[in-house]
Amino acid sequence: DAGVIQSPRHEVTEMGQEVTLRCKPISGHNSLFWYRQTMMRGLELLIYFNNNVPIDDSGMPEDRFSAKMPNASFSTLKIQPSEPRDSAVYFCASSSRQTNTEAFFGQGTRLTVV
Amino acid sequence: SQQGEEDPQALSIQEGENATMNCSYKTSINNLQWYRQNSGRGLVHLILIRSNEREKHSGRLRVTLDTSKKSSSLLITASRAADTASYFCATALRLNTGFQKLVFGTGTRLLVSP
Repeated sequence: DAGVIQSPRHEVTEMGQEVTLRCKPISGHNSLFWYRQTMMRGLELLIYFNNNVPIDDSGMPEDRFSAKMPNASFSTLKIQPSEPRDSAVYFCASSSRQTNTEAFFGQGTRLTVV
Repeated sequence: SQQGEEDPQALSIQEGENATMNCSYKTSINNLQWYRQNSGRGLVHLILIRSNEREKHSGRLRVTLDTSKKSSSLLITASRAADTASYFCATALRLNTGFQKLVFGTGTRLLVSP
């Protein structure tokens, strides 16, 4: 397996624009996590899916953020409208048995909102 | 909010020396995991220790867990320059739904000089 695949790797957008980040988890994994990493706040869990269903979205900053998992092999994180404070590295991770086993991380998407 | 905090925030040692990083957490856990992150890359799982385990080894890594003190330590023996990275602990927190989410600490930046 190629591992967790995220796209794009880098995204630069203007304030107010919509941004969509994509993630393909490892085949067979039923848990998917979206994290955001910044120097100030470290690694924050944004949302957690299990079997394509959102289990915990308490980390989603505000209504501008939304996430979907239409099927077991694809998830999106959307920011609309984007703001400069959304600039961060966004990671997607997947695991096979919730958190009882290791999580595999993608390479991340570095988002810059200018 | 962060569940775990690593100590120290940064550690600088010479090759061949041992590196010890500590992690403290706040609530009951099912397991605790350690991850490594090289600059600009995604996180890579190192080791998982369950709440009923006290010590675990993997190669040059030794992890201990003290649930009474809500703390864990990661020891890297005979360090190498290639061990230079940030190290994070992650705890599996039980949700009201019965699921668990993986929450990361603040990280320790390790620099190993040749």
